Amino acid sequence: EAQVTQNPRYLITVTGKKLTVTCSQNMNHEYMSWYRQDPGLGLRQIYYSMNVEVTDKGDVPEGYKVSRKEKRNFPLILESPSPNQTSLYFCASSLWDGTGGTYEQYFGPGTRLTVT
Amino acid sequence: AQKVTQAQTEISVVEKEDVTLDCVYETRDTTYYLFWYKQPPSGELVFLIRRNSFDEQNEISGRYSWNFQKSTSSFNFTITASQVVDSAVYFCALDNYGQNFVFGPGTRLSVLP
Repeated sequence: EAQVTQNPRYLITVTGKKLTVTCSQNMNHEYMSWYRQDPGLGLRQIYYSMNVEVTDKGDVPEGYKVSRKEKRNFPLILESPSPNQTSLYFCASSLWDGTGGTYEQYFGPGTRLTVT
Repeated sequence: AQKVTQAQTEISVVEKEDVTLDCVYETRDTTYYLFWYKQPPSGELVFLIRRNSFDEQNEISGRYSWNFQKSTSSFNFTITASQVVDSAVYFCALDNYGQNFVFGPGTRLSVLP
């Protein structure tokens, strides 16, 4: 079954304690992206990757890191989480032909993060 | 900068009514892609449509239809004969070659029986 998986689904942590949210896709997609969803703001792009070892900032990258060492995995790292990073996070993947932008994005189930 | 506006924060309709969700976008690019996604109460995100900036033909898929007007930078979504199962948050989104993929704030649609 084609899918994007994220772990953990729920996480409560304290300010400053480093954490990683994993994301994996089994569709051999080139493009992967992280979003955060906050009430009234829709989804905002944090980082995206067009292929292995190619990553770039989205609209709200501050306080986040990513890596793309393998095509299937795109972990999101919060080195020193703060309460304003409390949010619902989605990972997504898509085909990417290098010229025409993304196709349908497949989203993971979301990770609800609370930072106290 | 790219921007997507969905002016309707919440809409309530009675089942079988038609409803149109508005989407207005801003971009300086001549080539871009527009999307609609649905987020039902269960929380997952469901792809509905992708349209490139050179294709202004309206599209119909069952009870769903989309009206793309480049002259007014709008990409509106109409549900005909709405059903309770259509209740969800609907997001319009703009893609410039995968860079800075921008979602609108969403419109929450409630379809009442």
